[in-house]
This record gives sequence, structure tokens and C-alpha cells, in this order.
Amino acid sequence: DVKVTQSSRYLVKRTGEKVFLECVQDMDHENMFWYRQDPGLGLRLIYFSYDVKMKEKGDIPEGYSVSREKKERFSLILESASTNQTSMYLCASSRTSGILDGADTQYFGPGTRLTVL
Amino acid sequence: GIQVEQSPPDLILQEGANSTLRCNFSDSVNNLQWFHQNPWGQLINLFYIPSGTKQNGRLSATTVATERYSLLYISSSQTTDSGVYFCAVEHNDMRFGAGTRLTVKP
Repeated sequence: DVKVTQSSRYLVKRTGEKVFLECVQDMDHENMFWYRQDPGLGLRLIYFSYDVKMKEKGDIPEGYSVSREKKERFSLILESASTNQTSMYLCASSRTSGILDGADTQYFGPGTRLTVL
Repeated sequence: GIQVEQSPPDLILQEGANSTLRCNFSDSVNNLQWFHQNPWGQLINLFYIPSGTKQNGRLSATTVATERYSLLYISSSQTTDSGVYFCAVEHNDMRFGAGTRLTVKP
């Protein structure tokens, strides 16, 4: 079975704290994605990665950074959390590049609901 | 960039009713997917359907790529169908609609 896991289901942090959201997939997928979901705005792409140590900005990268040191792990980092980063964060992975080589199904993790106080 | 519009934004049904959710997009796409986000926040891939028609149990989807729309049909709805349904299209990148919030009442 396809499996994408995220390190926490719920997280509460204070303004200014550094936050790490971890995502791990066990399908040997090349591509991994971080989205945030907000009511009325759908899912918005923050960053994606199509290979180890490679990263590309999505629609809303400001205030975030990412790390992909190993193929199976893609981390989202909030250097200094702010209240407007309170959201549901979803990680996804896919087998082939959805950007360069054509489409493939993305498999999503369960999500992390982050609250910044 | 490509625009993705879903309708209706909200839908309330009685259990057993049928429904149709619509996704319009503004440009040609390589891929289209329908997702269901359940009330616990988990996103489930329903269909990968860049064109044509697919069926899976009580759900079916049709994409008419030349006319830039896709439809998701839910028949004999159940309370467990409640949640938000997202359409996502792939053009140069992946774009999601704002979703349709479905509430099925017993």
C-alpha cells in the first residue's frame, strides 16, 4: 500500500518559533510536495521537489523553506512562525514529475493542523 | 495562470439523494484529479481523469477536456460522503479549486 506519513497530526506553536514539519513516503517516489489548505482558498502549493536536494517554489513560498536530504523525506520549515501560518499542511508524493514529464497521481499524507498563537 | 472554479461551493443533501459537482478550468490540462477531504482532514484521491468517464461504486466522474469541465457524480449519498471535494488540474503546475463542501444529513 502507498504510504505517506507526516510527523504530527496537530501542532501548536508560538509566534517566532522555528517549526519543522516532516513528511516521509515509502514508495520510492521522486517527487514530493507541500501544500497548505485554507477555507475558501483550496489547496495551495508551497514548495515541491523532484529529486534529492532539488527544490522549486510553488505559489506561496514566502515565509517557508524546505529540505530534501533523502529521497523519502521532505521537510517544511517555518523559520519564524507567524499567526497567518495557522493552517492545515498537506504533504504529497508522486512517481513521475507532474511538472516536466506529464501527470501522475499524487498521494497525500493525513495532514498536520498547525496553530500559531 | 490557469483558473479552476468549482460549483456549488456548498451542498446539503439528505441521505440517499444524488448530486453532481462541477469543475471548470480555463485552459487545456494534462491531468485532472478529484479528491475527497473527509471531516478529519485526510485527503483521498478519488479519480485520476484527464478525459473520459470512470466509475467506482457510487461515484463516477466525467471530464470533457475540449470543453474544459469535469463532473463528479455521487449517487445514493451516505453520511460518510460528507466533507470537501476538490478538483485539481495540472497545466504547468498543479492547481486546486476552492472545493465543494458536501453535507449529507441522515
